[in-house]
Amino acid sequence: AQSVTQLDSHVSVSEGTPVLLRCNYSSSYSPSLFWYVQHPNKGLQLLLKYTSAATLVKGINGFEAEFKKSETSFHLTKPSAHMSDAAEYFCVVSGSGSGYSTLTFGKGTMLLVSP
Amino acid sequence: ETGVTQTPRHLVMGMTNKKSLKCEQHLGHNAMYWYKQSAKKPLELMFVYNFKEQTENNSVPSRFSPECPNSSHLFLHLHTLQPEDSALYLCASSPGTGNRDEQYFGPGTRLTVT
Repeated sequence: AQSVTQLDSHVSVSEGTPVLLRCNYSSSYSPSLFWYVQHPNKGLQLLLKYTSAATLVKGINGFEAEFKKSETSFHLTKPSAHMSDAAEYFCVVSGSGSGYSTLTFGKGTMLLVSP
Repeated sequence: ETGVTQTPRHLVMGMTNKKSLKCEQHLGHNAMYWYKQSAKKPLELMFVYNFKEQTENNSVPSRFSPECPNSSHLFLHLHTLQPEDSALYLCASSPGTGNRDEQYFGPGTRLTVT
């Protein structure tokens, strides 16, 4: 079985400062890992995906994440926060179902950005 | 968001009503999903269809009835709902060829049961 733990339910930053959203995963196999973002009253948008090709993954809107197997972590970072980054972020691990995608979602981290 | 569309975006219904949610994907995918997102809870997978066949039903009450007439369309039929069913219902799709694929989500239907 697989699981995801997002270590912070809320993160507050000032505009222009770095963002760090923390995620630890547990899996009995080599999973794919994802970060999704959800703006208020919207669906989930894929930010980036790790599939074992490279440990540092670059996503949209300047976000990136680093896969660290030894730490079972997949933290999301951005060098400089923008007001439009305020949203909820979900760390997700793929399952082991056959033929179709099965995803396990973390509980989410709400990113608050102040001017 | 144009890859996966959902209608209606908002729905208010009484407990005795019957309504349906519609999802359509324009990505050529073969797997489609219904999720429920409630406040303060993790995303809950409700149903999975792969190549039009239902492959998962995560103990969802029978007042929710899915239908997948083809690989592009997915419906969720609702009847005699309870107030605790009020939530954001999200549809998603994936290629259906691998268990490590990402899923693409629609904007959701905000359902309020009165």
